[in-house]
Amino acid sequence: QSALTQPASVSGSPGQTISISCTGTSNDIGVYNSVSWYQQHPGRAPKLIIYDVSNWPSGVSNRFSGSKSGNTASLTISGLQADDEADYYCSSYTADTSVVFGGGTRLTVL
Amino acid sequence: EVQLVESGGGLVQPGRSLRLSCAASGFTFDDYTMHWVRQAPGKGLEWVSTISWDSGVIAYADAVEGRFTISRDNVKNSLYLQMNGLRVEDTALYYCIKDAAVGYWYFDLWGRGTLVTVSS
Repeated sequence: QSALTQPASVSGSPGQTISISCTGTSNDIGVYNSVSWYQQHPGRAPKLIIYDVSNWPSGVSNRFSGSKSGNTASLTISGLQADDEADYYCSSYTADTSVVFGGGTRLTVL
Repeated sequence: EVQLVESGGGLVQPGRSLRLSCAASGFTFDDYTMHWVRQAPGKGLEWVSTISWDSGVIAYADAVEGRFTISRDNVKNSLYLQMNGLRVEDTALYYCIKDAAVGYWYFDLWGRGTLVTVSS
């Protein structure tokens, strides 16, 4: 159950588009379309923003989009807003009947 | 209002036990798989355990396998996590989570968490 790999930090200016990568293995991301993404503001519980690689839960902005290629998934945020500044975590179901998270990426809106 | 409220956290010495509880309201509890996820202070998220609606499927992270036991009471709309043999590295905010029920295990509704501190 090794953690997925995310960049520690990314940044962008308001209105820009940024992407966060999430690299796993053939035991998780590479074999299941079960990637999800969570947004966590400081002092708050995480919020599900993407599931099944690219689907949105009800009420989530379509400025967030997800994709996957091989063992790597990506979260793209378009039209960056100040409120997007938060920590983002990817997650995947695994062949071991478990769930693994990425280490998290701190997004800074400049 | 759909809500999850955790309780039972606190300060405990290494090797001791603690039982976390999670009270669910506002949804049909026995329709959903439930999860525990933890977050050490200043660190990332870590999946801990999952239990299906009927307790027929139960899974644990390697880090807690054999020490923690997840259970649920569908009459009382409650989820539990019995934690034995606690270690310093178990120190974290423990979240109770309702599954999104869209296929794979996705963490939809989160409680506010209960803090467990393991220290001598």
